This record gives sequence, structure tokens and C-alpha cells, in this order.
Amino acid sequence: DADVTQTPRNRITKTGKRIMLECSQTKGHDRMYWYRQDPGLGLRLIYYSFDVKDINKGEISDGYSVSRQAQAKFSLSLESAIPNQTALYFCATSDPGTRDSNEQFFGPGTRLTVL
Amino acid sequence: DAKTTQPNSMESNEEEPVHLPCNHSTISGTDYIHWYRQLPSQGPEYVIHGLTSNVNNRMASLAIAEDRKSSTLILHRATLRDAAVYYCIRSNTGNQFYFGTGTSLTVIP
Repeated sequence: DADVTQTPRNRITKTGKRIMLECSQTKGHDRMYWYRQDPGLGLRLIYYSFDVKDINKGEISDGYSVSRQAQAKFSLSLESAIPNQTALYFCATSDPGTRDSNEQFFGPGTRLTVL
Repeated sequence: DAKTTQPNSMESNEEEPVHLPCNHSTISGTDYIHWYRQLPSQGPEYVIHGLTSNVNNRMASLAIAEDRKSSTLILHRATLRDAAVYYCIRSNTGNQFYFGTGTSLTVIP
């Protein structure tokens, strides 16, 4: 079984709808991240959480919100989806450890299309 | 700008070495340099990372310039399975990753 899972894997929705993307991990990591990827570009950080009580904004948090329900679960919400939020969304986890060992483990991605 | 600069694409013949360059001229003294690769329809996966010294692992080598303004990922013998988009990434003290636009590597049989 995959260590980092994302649901759904694909979603098509309409402008103005509320959407939730979910991420679960079995790695036991405290740190979790949400990124988006647009065609031909690298990933950009939306939000990150270093533990259940810690939520931080990333580069492009406007239009998004997150919830850390448990160590293993981190959800991303689009309160009112708009077409320019059409993208590939990735969840990632990492173990605090030392900074030198802070590898991030990525899920398979969720492809979101907003019509 | 916290992001890195990479060539859009590169080609290599199978079983030959590949040198993938990255420019990070505004890097700060505490930023790490990471390399991840992304295969089609998958999330990025770790390749290698470093701070100041050159690094080697089973997948690749990372050569970091003395002034840290650039680095090079070295794949010693390219295989067809190495065809992917390679991202050079800076991470700050909060372990926030700043991705470049990536280099698409084509391996020619």
C-alpha cells in the first residue's frame, strides 16, 4: 500500500462549488504539505503543517484553506472554486528529524478541473 | 527571487553520463539544495540534496559550486528509466521548498 494517498485522484467541478481534497499518510510523519502544479511549471507550496496544532501559509494560499484532522490526515479546501485553480495538486510529508534529513515524500496527485 | 533556474530540456545517450545544471545565484547561506525527479503521472521523488559539500549516493552525485550560486546533478550512466523531469529546489530554514521549472531529460537508446 502507498505511504501517502490522495483522494480523489481526479475531480471535475464547476465554478463556485466547494471542493475538498484529502491526504492520508501511514509514514508517521508530523509534517505535511500541499502543493499545486501548473502545466510546464514546478510545484508551488500552498499550505504546510508541522504538527496537528500548527498550520502555515505557503507561497500561494489565497483561495485555499486547510484542516489537519490528525497526524495522518491533511485536507485542502477550495471554498469557491474558480477556473484558474485548475491544476494538479500534490500532498507531501516529511519527518522533522534534522534539517539535513528532511526528505519530502509525495503522494500521487489529484487532478482538479474547474469549469 | 527564491526560485532556481534550469534549462527546459536536455538529451543524453543511454549509458553516458548526464550533467544537469542549476543556477541559484541568490541562495542564502542556510538554504539547502535538493534535487527531485518526476516521472509521468507521479509525484516527485527524492534524488539527492546538499548544503556546501559535494554529495554522492546510489542514484547520483551533486556538485555544488564553491560560491554556492550553482550546482550540477550528475547521473553517471543514464538509463531509459532516468527519463523524467528533474527539479532543482531550494529549501529555507523552515524546510519550505522552492521549485524551479525543471529540466525534462530525454534518454536516447
